[in-house]
Amino acid sequence: QSVLTQPPSVSEAPRQRVTISCSGSSSNIGSHAVNWYQQVPGKAPKLLIYYDDLMPSGVSDRFSGSKSGTSASLAISGLQSEDEADYYCAAWDDSLNAYVFGTGTKVTLL
Amino acid sequence: HGQLVQSGAELRKPGASVKISCKVSGYTFSNYDMSWVRQAPGQGLEWMGWISVSKGDTNYAQKFQGRVTMTTDTSTSTAYMELRSLRYDDTAVYFCARPQGGFSGIHYDFWGQGTLVTVSS
Repeated sequence: QSVLTQPPSVSEAPRQRVTISCSGSSSNIGSHAVNWYQQVPGKAPKLLIYYDDLMPSGVSDRFSGSKSGTSASLAISGLQSEDEADYYCAAWDDSLNAYVFGTGTKVTLL
Repeated sequence: HGQLVQSGAELRKPGASVKISCKVSGYTFSNYDMSWVRQAPGQGLEWMGWISVSKGDTNYAQKFQGRVTMTTDTSTSTAYMELRSLRYDDTAVYFCARPQGGFSGIHYDFWGQGTLVTVSS
């Protein structure tokens, strides 16, 4: 049972914008940086966002991250077919002394 | 750019053990820790723990304590994860991943391709 809660799925038309929420607590998001990963089925996760809002080199600037208090969000603008994937937030959790992943959100294009 | 190449799929019976390898290239192995993450079929990602390659210190998720051992071999730049007393619900794809960032900002920038472990009688 993950301590980071995400919506199971979001859908939007191509070229539109979607936002994925990640709700945590003071022991994880409220105290530590949030990261976001993209996972295409059958592949390894790919780091999209780290330290709440930074992008690794090579990641499209259509992805952006933000955090406020104990919640974080990932926004994807200009949706493309290649963005159809599962997305996970993650952060360190002091109470569990573990790195925790969100429940995951499947992004689908309409 | 780092590359993490894992060993192939494994089939084990309940109660058995499995040891997966993760061979690193493209960066200095001992300069970074290594973690393991698993994903059961159709499920989310689950962090199992990490090992300090330089010191050998480990930090296992409570769920796996007593059943998991993470080790490294710096001579071959290879990390290992052994899981014992396998149960049916240990069937999953197991990933090795390189952690970056300090304690408060840990994130995983390089991942292995994954190793499927199937537990079946």
